[in-house]
Amino acid sequence: AQTVTQSQPEMSVQEAETVTLSCTYDTSENNYYLFWYKQPPSRQMILVIRQEAYKQQNATENRFSVNFQKAAKSFSLKISDSQLGDTAMYFCAFPFFGNEKLTFGTGTRLTIIP
Amino acid sequence: NAGVTQTPKFQVLKTGQSMTLQCAQDMNHEYMSWYRQDPGMGLRLIHYSVGAGITDQGEVPNGYNVSRSTTEDFPLRLLSAAPSQTSVYFCASSRQNTEAFFGQGTRLTVV
Repeated sequence: AQTVTQSQPEMSVQEAETVTLSCTYDTSENNYYLFWYKQPPSRQMILVIRQEAYKQQNATENRFSVNFQKAAKSFSLKISDSQLGDTAMYFCAFPFFGNEKLTFGTGTRLTIIP
Repeated sequence: NAGVTQTPKFQVLKTGQSMTLQCAQDMNHEYMSWYRQDPGMGLRLIHYSVGAGITDQGEVPNGYNVSRSTTEDFPLRLLSAAPSQTSVYFCASSRQNTEAFFGQGTRLTVV
């Protein structure tokens, strides 16, 4: 069974700093996707970024980027120039097969300090 | 676009009561699923469906039933509510090899 591990329950950084959230996973599959979701206090689950395992290039979405290390089964999220609106829970998620279901990590609560 | 619509947003039940959480999506996604979120445990899969008429159990299915008679709807039924079912519930939909879209969540309290 696939497992997803987020080892940082809580983190806090000053506004405008860079922060990296870690995620490791375990799978026997070769082709798959990985996702980072953000959950602000509103409770809504928002996709931050996705990475296809067959792509060697790390995904980037504006201030958000990933460091994907397939051999190490590591998928970290880097937030540059952090903003107050980045305060949220962040979940790493791994889809089964064709994405009909997801396995989530336990989440990292990120607080951006003004 | 409505996306995934989940109702109600909040609900308080007494132990032993039953209720149905509604979920509808208008994106013609074949996959739909229900998760519960508890502090320190992330989101855990309750039930999921890969198409109308097809459902299967997830990690924590006990005490819940689902059915999928149409592509759009995937209701979650609590048969006899227990305090252990106090949680936040999310419905999600997706298609193959794309991200999942989530409803706004239901905070359920069982007293």
